[in-house]
Parts: sequence; structure tokens; C-alpha cells
Amino acid sequence: DVKVTQSSRYLVKRTGEKVFLECVQDMDHENMFWYRQDPGLGLRLIYFSYDVKMKEKGDIPEGYSVSREKKERFSLILESASTNQTSMYLCASSNKAGGVYEQYFGPGTRLTVT
Amino acid sequence: DQQVKQNSPSLSVQEGRISILNCDYTNSMFDYFLWYKKYPAEGPTFLISISSIKDKNEDGRFTVFLNKSAKHLSLHIVPSQPGDSAVYFCAASDTGTASKLTFGTGTRLQVTL
Repeated sequence: DVKVTQSSRYLVKRTGEKVFLECVQDMDHENMFWYRQDPGLGLRLIYFSYDVKMKEKGDIPEGYSVSREKKERFSLILESASTNQTSMYLCASSNKAGGVYEQYFGPGTRLTVT
Repeated sequence: DQQVKQNSPSLSVQEGRISILNCDYTNSMFDYFLWYKKYPAEGPTFLISISSIKDKNEDGRFTVFLNKSAKHLSLHIVPSQPGDSAVYFCAASDTGTASKLTFGTGTRLQVTL
């Protein structure tokens, strides 16, 4: 059973703070992803990584950075949090091999920036 | 530019009836499509997928239909159950380029008693 865990379910931060969101998967997946989910906008891809130390920008990377030092861990960093980054953040992982693109998601982190 | 669109934000269906959720896409390079289900305060979970070489895929109560010429897919749930009440996201991938998915905006399904 694939398990994707996220470090916090709920987080409240102040404007200007540096925020770290951590994601860990236990299935040895090559690919990892960070999304944000907002009402009426669906899931939007922020960054993804297809290997250790590799990263690619998604559709909305502005204001975010990522780090992947180990295969199982993918971190999302908000360098200086702003109120428009209040959102649900979802991490996912998938296997590169086999042509199957199913992604497995963590439970999400509800981030509020005040 | 929304490449995957779910034009119905919500849908209400009676228990036992058929639920039909629709999804349209604009990128002709998409060749693999998935449906995810999401309950509040949980991450999305994979439901069913279809490759562009097929026009139908069935898994129990769930069937996905793909019409490539219309760039349209639909998810049918028969019979609908109260536990199916959730937000459903359609997603698409261009398998030739990357493993990333492009998601639609979601449809909230409510199955009433």
C-alpha cells in the first residue's frame, strides 16, 4: 500500500515567514509533485521532481521553491509567505516505469497565512 | 488557459440512479486520462483511467468513456450510492513528454437518499 505523508495537516503562519512543507513517500517512486487546491481552480501544479536533486517548474511556481535531497522526501518552501498563498497543499508521487501515470496523494496541508 | 475543463461545478443525483460527470480537454497531445475522487480533508484517490487507444473502460460501478474526436470524456457511476458524494477531478497526461497530470477544476457530486 502506497503511503504519502505530509508533515502537518493544518498550519498557520504570518505574512513574511519562511514556511517548509514536507512530504515523504514510502514506495520508492521516482516522481514527486506539489499542487495547491483552491475552490473553482482545481489542482494546480507548483513544482515536480523526477529524480533526486532534479526539479521542474509547474504551472504556478512563483513564490515557491522546492528541495529533493533524498528520493523519498520532497519539500516545498515558501520563502516569504503571503496571504494569497493561503491554500490546501497536496503532495503526490508516482512511478516512472510501466507507462502508468497514476499519482498517489498525501492527505494535504491546509495552510493559512495571516 | 484551462486545458482540462469540468463545466459543471456540482451535480445532485438520487441514490440508485446514474451519475454522469463530464470533462473536456483542448490539448490533442493528451493520450491518457484519469479520474480522481476527493473527500473533504483528504487527498485525492485514484478511481479509474483510460488510454486513448480505448473508448471505454469499466471497473465495477464506474465506467469511463472517451470520445477523442470531441475531446470529451465522461465518468458514469451506476448505481450511485451516498458514499460516492465527493469532488471528482478529471486529469490528463501527455505520456510522450512527462509524468505530470493536468487536472480539471472538479465537480462536486451529491448523492441524495
